[in-house]
Amino acid sequence: GAVVSQHPSWVICKSGTSVKIECRSLDFQATTMFWYRQFPKQSLMLMATSNEGSKATYEQGVEKDKFLINHASLTLSTLTVTSAHPEDSSFYICSASLPGTYEQYFGPGTRLTVT
Amino acid sequence: GNSVTQMEGPVTLSEEAFLTINCTYTATGYPSLFWYVQYPGEGLQLLLKATKADDKGSNKGFEATYRKETTSFHLEKGSVQVSDSAVYFCALGSGAGNMLTFGGGTRLMVKP
Repeated sequence: GAVVSQHPSWVICKSGTSVKIECRSLDFQATTMFWYRQFPKQSLMLMATSNEGSKATYEQGVEKDKFLINHASLTLSTLTVTSAHPEDSSFYICSASLPGTYEQYFGPGTRLTVT
Repeated sequence: GNSVTQMEGPVTLSEEAFLTINCTYTATGYPSLFWYVQYPGEGLQLLLKATKADDKGSNKGFEATYRKETTSFHLEKGSVQVSDSAVYFCALGSGAGNMLTFGGGTRLMVKP
């Protein structure tokens, strides 16, 4: 099946610093990637939709200047959490959709802890 | 708008018991339907899918049938194992943008 990787799998950073998370589709080209946030024991919250070569579309309530998304190629999207604060601590998951379908393949997630 | 409702957990079963996790949906048009599974500390894995009415998705002993008349996509397994303990998410894809709408997730705990 389609494989999506995510790096790093976990990261601890100090308040005020920025953190970059990478999402790669390893064996298919993904024109669309998605970024989710998941709180403990809760469902996924869609943060933004990332389309290759264009600006990301952010969901209501998600600060685009804080969560910078870049989708520079058909296999790589990055999420940068800028000026991180403890309330940004969460599990961030990316996914990539097979072109022309609703089928999404998910990365293993990144656990961010801001101290 | 689109929405997915699934039964709240946790669902606790003994090994080899029969499993049903209910999922109903509201959508415009003809959505694609999915079940995803999430093991602790991991991302979601696609478990099975169905893209049109009366389709049955199946994988690893799990099955779900796309029922348009009842707008449902219930997940079933005849005999669960301890290794099936995880959170299960029902989802639908419909409309523009390739986005999925997720249910709230159902935690399954299987005891030996």
